[in-house]
Amino acid sequence: GAVVSQHPSWVICKSGTSVKIECRSLDFQATTMFWYRQFPKQSLMLMATSNEGSKATYEQGVEKDKFLINHASLTLSTLTVTSAHPEDSSFYICSAREYSTGTDQPQHFGDGTRLSIL
Amino acid sequence: SQELEQSPQSLIVQEGKNLTINCTSSKTLYGLYWYKQKYGEGLIFLMMLQKGGEEKSHEKITAKLDEKKQQSSLHITASQPSHAGIYLCGAGNTGFQKLVFGTGTRLLVSP
Repeated sequence: GAVVSQHPSWVICKSGTSVKIECRSLDFQATTMFWYRQFPKQSLMLMATSNEGSKATYEQGVEKDKFLINHASLTLSTLTVTSAHPEDSSFYICSAREYSTGTDQPQHFGDGTRLSIL
Repeated sequence: SQELEQSPQSLIVQEGKNLTINCTSSKTLYGLYWYKQKYGEGLIFLMMLQKGGEEKSHEKITAKLDEKKQQSSLHITASQPSHAGIYLCGAGNTGFQKLVFGTGTRLLVSP
């Protein structure tokens, strides 16, 4: 149980292109989803927290207009990197947290998307 | 902001040996997660510790939480090549909404 699917797993595109990454919780409802970015040999850096039906909360230093997040349903969140440039190249990982009324639930992670901007 | 320091940063052990990874927080720990990441892939949830003194085990992996020391340790017994990867500790705020992750420990297990 608690499977999170992230798609695509690898994207290579030209500078200026917008790229959409999908994150789906396959067997549970996720009221909260998180988007992380990971640079080579570094830990995960939280970019934003998205709650279903409301605007995402971005971490300090993350450009809202550059990284558009939509969480339209309890099983799907999308991250769109708009007008991507080489410096946006990175490994992006999403996670989803199952709704719970009392006990804390762990975040379950997708397999990540490797984005390379030429 | 909370910071998590992991030690060691990297570790190479011979198959069958035991090992311990530590995670130390700069602030009070309300709970802690341990994850494993294979190179270039997502994170696999290992364990969640919520109470001081709590200890959990899964197969050959045991994790403990010492709230007073603001520290958690992950111990692997009789390591196997399948244990290789990057181990990350993560700590949440009181609502466990956002997680801050540690610096990571890269583990290699040699046959």
